[in-house]
Amino acid sequence: GAGVSQSPSNKVTEKGKDVELRCDPISGHTALYWYRQSLGQGLEFLIYFQGNSAPDKSGLPSDRFSAERTGGSVSTLTIQRTQQEDSAVYLCASGDRANTGELFFGEGSRLTVL
Amino acid sequence: GNSVTQMEGPVTLSEEAFLTINCTYTATGYPSLFWYVQYPGEGLQLLLKATKADDKGSNKGFEATYRKETTSFHLEKGSVQVSDSAVYFCALKGTGGTSYGKLTFGQGTILTVHP
Repeated sequence: GAGVSQSPSNKVTEKGKDVELRCDPISGHTALYWYRQSLGQGLEFLIYFQGNSAPDKSGLPSDRFSAERTGGSVSTLTIQRTQQEDSAVYLCASGDRANTGELFFGEGSRLTVL
Repeated sequence: GNSVTQMEGPVTLSEEAFLTINCTYTATGYPSLFWYVQYPGEGLQLLLKATKADDKGSNKGFEATYRKETTSFHLEKGSVQVSDSAVYFCALKGTGGTSYGKLTFGQGTILTVHP
């Protein structure tokens, strides 16, 4: 597609369950970012990929969070044993090889943990 | 580490009013600076950027000047429209080490413009 695609757009889960969020970046974009946006908060950086490697994982909140990217394209963010404080909108963005800072964002996956 | 601080919101203005949204930053080296905008029901999109001191970014009537001496990148528009109602985010891109490539965002400022 033409833009960054994220799925699911909405996810409601019970506390303790695992969830997977998917991001399909713009074709040819080598940089891929995950951010978290909580109500009333800014964008919290989670992880950044250049190709398939992640030079910066510093934002992952705990070891319950992990992310991978395969084939330099699709990325999956996995949250294990979800907690209520994980409820947020998870945003994915991609950027081109030059990584100028111009990112193209998806519309996000809204996660609600009951 | 790098950080971005935006003025508290929300901001409510009448159409044709002058807009300023303040943004200051903390960073080592020479970061690039950005304003992103999120219109209702849409994803974030780049509004404007500046890559070095004294550069002015501009787009859609909005302007921001990279002021290294005051570590600021304030967003301005001379005459806002109802269609400018959105959430505005100031952001910084680091220049070295593990900061390279990472965009750090401020907390966002909600702007509402009334007719």
